[in-house]
Amino acid sequence: DTGVSQDPRHKITKRGQNVTFRCDPISEHNRLYWYRQTLGQGPEFLTYFQNEAQLEKSRLLSDRFSAERPKGSFSTLEIQRTEQGDSAMYLCASSPLTGISYNEQFFGPGTRLTVL
Amino acid sequence: AQKITQTQPGMFVQEKEAVTLDCTYDTSDPSYGLFWYKQPSSGEMIFLIYQGSYDQQNATEGRYSLNFQKARKSANLVISASQLGDSAMYFCAMREGGRDDKIIFGKGTRLHILP
Repeated sequence: DTGVSQDPRHKITKRGQNVTFRCDPISEHNRLYWYRQTLGQGPEFLTYFQNEAQLEKSRLLSDRFSAERPKGSFSTLEIQRTEQGDSAMYLCASSPLTGISYNEQFFGPGTRLTVL
Repeated sequence: AQKITQTQPGMFVQEKEAVTLDCTYDTSDPSYGLFWYKQPSSGEMIFLIYQGSYDQQNATEGRYSLNFQKARKSANLVISASQLGDSAMYFCAMREGGRDDKIIFGKGTRLHILP
């Protein structure tokens, strides 16, 4: 296991379509985070899972956004009826609950979404 | 109000010189953590260094050190002996409260290392 992986790396879609992104965290990591990063900005928090439980959601996560982590392993982020303002890099991060790395969030390579 | 402020949008530094990237933060929570991440042009976020609010000593990781001035709410990153590969965006970030909480990022500083 070499790190957090995200699929797809790039997604181009037309406005109004639904898209789904997948994140596979580092296998022993209980905590999983989704962030969104627009051009020239730092990442903004979207939501957080501890195992399969979604413990926190940002107000940025509108009704069109939903995230799941059904078995406490991989996670999906779905955006319904995409809008041009949804164009961004979607980053996933994971971290362990214990151990020397518990303060660190390990980021995946991101999924770049372009909404036409 | 911004939680994390990075006042330097861009910096140019000669190779092998030391560089300081500024970061100030705002929180009323006595327990918090401060982070620095590097984001090269390839896009991945790379963790550099962490400082806890109760840590007595400044954090160091190889060529990276965090100049933590609690009273000033300042957490500057110092990179010693800069290298061309240090050219990237650098983000200061903070986590408030318990360690499960989200990380809040600043807007970043783009660092250019000149040969």
